[in-house]
Parts: sequence; structure tokens; C-alpha cells
Amino acid sequence: DVKVTQSSRYLVKRTGEKVFLECVQDMDHENMFWYRQDPGLGLRLIYFSYDVKMKEKGDIPEGYSVSREKKERFSLILESASTNQTSMYLCASSDGTDAYEQYFGPGTRLTVT
Amino acid sequence: TQLLEQSPQFLSIQEGENLTVYCNSSSVFSSLQWYRQEPGEGPVLLVTVVTGGEVKKLKRLTFQFGDARKDSSLHITAAQPGDTVLYLCAGRDNFNKFYFGSGTKLNVKP
Repeated sequence: DVKVTQSSRYLVKRTGEKVFLECVQDMDHENMFWYRQDPGLGLRLIYFSYDVKMKEKGDIPEGYSVSREKKERFSLILESASTNQTSMYLCASSDGTDAYEQYFGPGTRLTVT
Repeated sequence: TQLLEQSPQFLSIQEGENLTVYCNSSSVFSSLQWYRQEPGEGPVLLVTVVTGGEVKKLKRLTFQFGDARKDSSLHITAAQPGDTVLYLCAGRDNFNKFYFGSGTKLNVKP
């Protein structure tokens, strides 16, 4: 059974703190993604990675960075959290087949106060 | 401006009614996916359509990919209260990036 896990379901941080969100997949997928989801805006891609140590910017990378040291783990880092980064953060992984199906984790609801 | 326009944004219907959700774009996609998402959870993949004109059925749900691979629809027959979730479409471009619609929040009243 496909499994993507995220380190926290709920997180509350203060403005200016450094925040780490961890994502782990057990499907040996090459591709991993970080999205944020806000009401009325759908999911927006922050960063994605095609392979270990490789990363590509998505549509809204400002204020975020990522790390992929191992194939199964993809971390999202908020260098200095701000209130406009309060959101639902979703991690996904996919294989490299034609269908390129994505599998999502349960999400992390981050609140920055 | 969203690359994928999903409509309607909200839909409230009675149990037993039929409905259609649309996902439209001016861009061509390599494939298109439909997800359902429960509150507080991540999206769960329902189907992937790849070929222009493709139709896939999943019980009472019918998914169609437009001939030009720019649009898609989800049709639900005889809706049930268990269908009350957020439905999302997502298109994949030639660079393997995904673009999501803003979602359709469906409410099926018993």
C-alpha cells in the first residue's frame, strides 16, 4: 500500500522561527513535491525534486527552501516564518511512468503567529 | 490567474441527483488527474486520464478527457451523502509539473 507520511499534522510557530516540515515516502519514487493549499486558490507548487540532491522551483518558492539528501525523504524549510505562510502544506510523491500518478501525505496545518 | 479553471466552486444538491464538474484550460496537458479530498486530509487520487477523448468509469463516477487534452469533466450519477468532499483536478504539463484547479466543494443533502 502506498504511503506518504508527514512529520506533523498540526504545527504552531512564531514569526521569525525556522520551520522544518518532513516528508517520507516508502514507494521508492523518484519524484517528490511540496504544495501549499489555501481556500479558493487550490494547491500551489512550492518546490519539487526529480532525484536525490536535485530540486526545482515551483510557482511560489519565495520564503522556502528544500532538501533531499535521501530518496525517500523531502524536507521543506521556512527560513524565517511569516504569518502569510500560515497554510496547509501537502507533500506528494510520484513515479516516472507515463501516468505520473501523485500520492499525497495527510498534510501539515501550519499556523504562524 | 489559474491555469486550470474548475467549476462550479460550490455545489449543493439533493441525494439522488446527477452533477457534472468541469476543469478547463487553454493549455494542453500530458495527463489529467482527479482527486477527492476530505477535510483536514490530503487529496486521494481517483483517476488519471492520458489520451484525448478518453472516458473512465469508477462506479457512479465518469471521467472524460477532452479530445484536445485541454479540458476534463467529472460526472456523478445518483449522488450520495458520502460524495460530500472537495473534488480537485490537476493537469500535468510536458515538464512534469502539475497545475491544480481551485476545487469544487460538493454537498449532497440526504
